[in-house]
Amino acid sequence: DIQMTQSPSALSASAGDRVTISCRASQSIHRWLAWYQQKPGKAPKLLIYKASNLESGVPSRFNGSGSGTEFTLTISSLQPDDFATYYCQQYDSHKRTFGQGTKVEVK
Amino acid sequence: EVQLLQSGAEVKKPGATVKLSCKISGYTFTDYFINWVRQAPGKGLEWMGLVDPDDGEAFYSEKFQGRLIITSDTSTDTAYMDVTSLRSDDTAVYYCATMPEIAAPLLDSWGQGTLVTVTS
Repeated sequence: DIQMTQSPSALSASAGDRVTISCRASQSIHRWLAWYQQKPGKAPKLLIYKASNLESGVPSRFNGSGSGTEFTLTISSLQPDDFATYYCQQYDSHKRTFGQGTKVEVK
Repeated sequence: EVQLLQSGAEVKKPGATVKLSCKISGYTFTDYFINWVRQAPGKGLEWMGLVDPDDGEAFYSEKFQGRLIITSDTSTDTAYMDVTSLRSDDTAVYYCATMPEIAAPLLDSWGQGTLVTVTS
């Protein structure tokens, strides 16, 4: 299975901060990467697909980039609603995998 | 409106098998894979496997190979997942979901989740 490694595992930030989360694949996944946001007790919400495409209704402060094995999710100006856990997920292979998650906490 | 409706909570003993179901509506069942994802308490998301309802072919995470059986029934637009030889660390919320795919228009939709508790 393709391994997905996210960093950091957690970060503390304040509203208005720029936040960057990294995701590395163990082999090239081209651009077949999605980013999800999850809040406690809720199903994950898709933010980004195909590395950089914004899901409908997702604010433009979320930006995805990268290809091959290195990917980044950037939140340009953190809003109170953005404190959550974020996961990358590859779908290059029929055997999908998630990163271990990045918890964005209030500083 | 796309909906994935999952079966209700389960309590099982170690060693038992649990069968979960996921009934879809609002789209053509055979057009999208159904994925199964779980989340243990306080832990991250874990992709378990998927089924292609068009031909019934299933793919499994290496971690669960041999303990999962994922099937689909096109007559009822329902996907199923059997988890065998349950252990206490299988206690989790189990989700079914359509997720981004390479060869299909985007459809990302999740069921409400099913809590499976494994306890003696």
